[in-house]
Amino acid sequence: DIQMTQSPSSLSASVGDRVTIICRASQSISSYLNWYQQKPGKAPKVLIYAASSLQSGVPSRFSGSGSGTDFTLTISSLQREDFATYYCQQSYSTPFTFGPGTKVDIK
Amino acid sequence: QVQLQESGPGLVKPSQTLSLTCTVSGGSISSGSYYWSWVRQPAGKGLEWIGLIYTSGSTNYNPSLKSRVTISVDMSKKEFSLRLSSVTAADTAVYYCARGVRGLTGYYGMDVWGQGTTVTVSS
Repeated sequence: DIQMTQSPSSLSASVGDRVTIICRASQSISSYLNWYQQKPGKAPKVLIYAASSLQSGVPSRFSGSGSGTDFTLTISSLQREDFATYYCQQSYSTPFTFGPGTKVDIK
Repeated sequence: QVQLQESGPGLVKPSQTLSLTCTVSGGSISSGSYYWSWVRQPAGKGLEWIGLIYTSGSTNYNPSLKSRVTISVDMSKKEFSLRLSSVTAADTAVYYCARGVRGLTGYYGMDVWGQGTTVTVSS
């Protein structure tokens, strides 16, 4: 199985801050990397697919980059509604695997 | 737009079989552009992919659960289902169904999710 790691595991930030979350795969996954946002009690919501493609309806302050084994999710200007947990997921090969998550909370 | 809704018992006894159904509304289940998946999340923990099914009926399961999992599809009812046998307390989780996107050369992310259903394994 491909192992996914994320850093940091949690972060505190203020509204308006630029936030970057890193995801690493245990082997190359090309660009088959997706990012999800999950709020408490809710289903995950896809933000970015194929490493850098913005899902329809997702605000442009979210962006993704990377390929191979190293990926980043960037929120250019954190908004109040962005406080949540973020997961990366590889869809390069089954079994699909998720990172452990990064919790973004209010400083 | 497409919506997914999970249904099934919220309480299952140890050693029994967990059975859940996901109903697809507002769109087609028969498009070859998608795969249909189950994902679970124990309370306070991360996401675990269980498996997927294509409309052809072909399946792919997580090896960690493979011996206990069956995913099936009923196109006429626009439903796909999960069966997990010989459950233990470790199978207690929120179970989500989701639609994934198939690309020409691989899989993309899961773009539509059900709201999730909590299943507790307890006697």
